[in-house]
Amino acid sequence: GDSVTQTEGLVTLTKGLPVMLNCTYQTTYSPFLFWYVQHLNEAPKLLLKSSTDNKRTEHQGFYATLHKSSSSFHLQKSSVQLSDSALYFCALIRNNRIFFGDGTQLVVKP
Amino acid sequence: ETAVFQTPNYHVTQVGNEVSFNCKQTLGHDTMYWYKQDSKKLLKIMFSYNNKQLIVNETVPRRFSPQSSDKAHLNLRIKSVEPEDSAVYLCASSLDRAAEQFFGPGTRLTVL
Repeated sequence: GDSVTQTEGLVTLTKGLPVMLNCTYQTTYSPFLFWYVQHLNEAPKLLLKSSTDNKRTEHQGFYATLHKSSSSFHLQKSSVQLSDSALYFCALIRNNRIFFGDGTQLVVKP
Repeated sequence: ETAVFQTPNYHVTQVGNEVSFNCKQTLGHDTMYWYKQDSKKLLKIMFSYNNKQLIVNETVPRRFSPQSSDKAHLNLRIKSVEPEDSAVYLCASSLDRAAEQFFGPGTRLTVL
């Protein structure tokens, strides 16, 4: 069945370093992929959504590229800030149903 | 700017009681959802509601039921709460089922 896998439960980094949060998916159809970010005591909100295959999408310094060949949509940022500390969810929409990954907690230290 | 509204923010109750949570969206969206976010922060979809069609996650216990008066409102009723129902319940809406979702601030339920 359709699913999303986020392999890291927790990522801890020092401010200024690059980060990549993994997201792979499984589906037999053409997917739409999303990244949502949830800050402490707030609601999740959309960070990025996928475009066409192998095309990079960017927002607020974060970027991701949908790679259908590897079923991936990893989230990256070249230099993390303290304010990036949050919970990040990867999500797949296929055939009008949404599937969320388990989330990756990103902790950025000074 | 908030466009998905939930009430109450918090609710504390005892095992066996009935509770009801409200959700309203002002985005003109056609689809609304209820999610449960547990203490491990996992997001589990419970229901989606689109044009009076209800899609239920089969793992949701029968004591949970969605109630909709129109496409801008989707409430959640829990008939007889149990301790494992303690969680944050998030309401969301989207233009259609293939579009991005906008989440409300959530209702935190504590069952004693």
